[in-house]
Amino acid sequence: DAMVIQNPRYQVTQFGKPVTLSCSQTLNHNVMYWYQQKSSQAPKLLFHYYDKDFNNEADTPDNFQSRRPNTSFCFLDIRSPGLGDAAMYLCATSKQGRGEKLFFGSGTQLSVL
Amino acid sequence: GQNIDQPTEMTATEGAIVQINCTYQTSGFNGLFWYQQHAGEAPTFLSYNVLDGLEEKGRFSSFLSRSKGYSYLLLKELQMKDSASYLCAVRWPGGGADGLTFGKGTHLIIQP
Repeated sequence: DAMVIQNPRYQVTQFGKPVTLSCSQTLNHNVMYWYQQKSSQAPKLLFHYYDKDFNNEADTPDNFQSRRPNTSFCFLDIRSPGLGDAAMYLCATSKQGRGEKLFFGSGTQLSVL
Repeated sequence: GQNIDQPTEMTATEGAIVQINCTYQTSGFNGLFWYQQHAGEAPTFLSYNVLDGLEEKGRFSSFLSRSKGYSYLLLKELQMKDSASYLCAVRWPGGGADGLTFGKGTHLIIQP
């Protein structure tokens, strides 16, 4: 089945140790998003790719970076994780055009020790 | 800024009906979504409204009034598996190429 796949499901890292989360999709959608969701809070958009065009949200910390080497894959890099970065990270995709719903991956729960 | 409000928590009884409200103030409007999210899992799409009125899909219905900045999600014949968070999300022109702004979600507890 076409879907959005995130690996790993759970990730533990140490304070300050770089970590990369991955997302792949078989939907051939041209827009890919990364959301951060902390417990009992709304998902917060970090950035998105519209094809190869990277769009950073104004309040996304510089500590968060992203790469999209091709249509299918997108990575979230946290250069120096802090305790406050512990959260669920959700990858989502959509087709170009307004009104298209987002398809979410199962998320990566990040713990920072 | 953009603001989306929903009740934090609601409790309902198995077999009953529950209505979850959402109000929004955004800079423009391109549609409203409802997502269901079980604990520790990704949100899954439930419904989409862009015009005023009621959209029905099985046990779930969603209503929109753009003039009032108001939507609700109606769940009928509640089942225990409906215990989850329900997220209201608004798409608005500045929301980043089809990106959505989410509310904090309503945690729905279903009791036997």
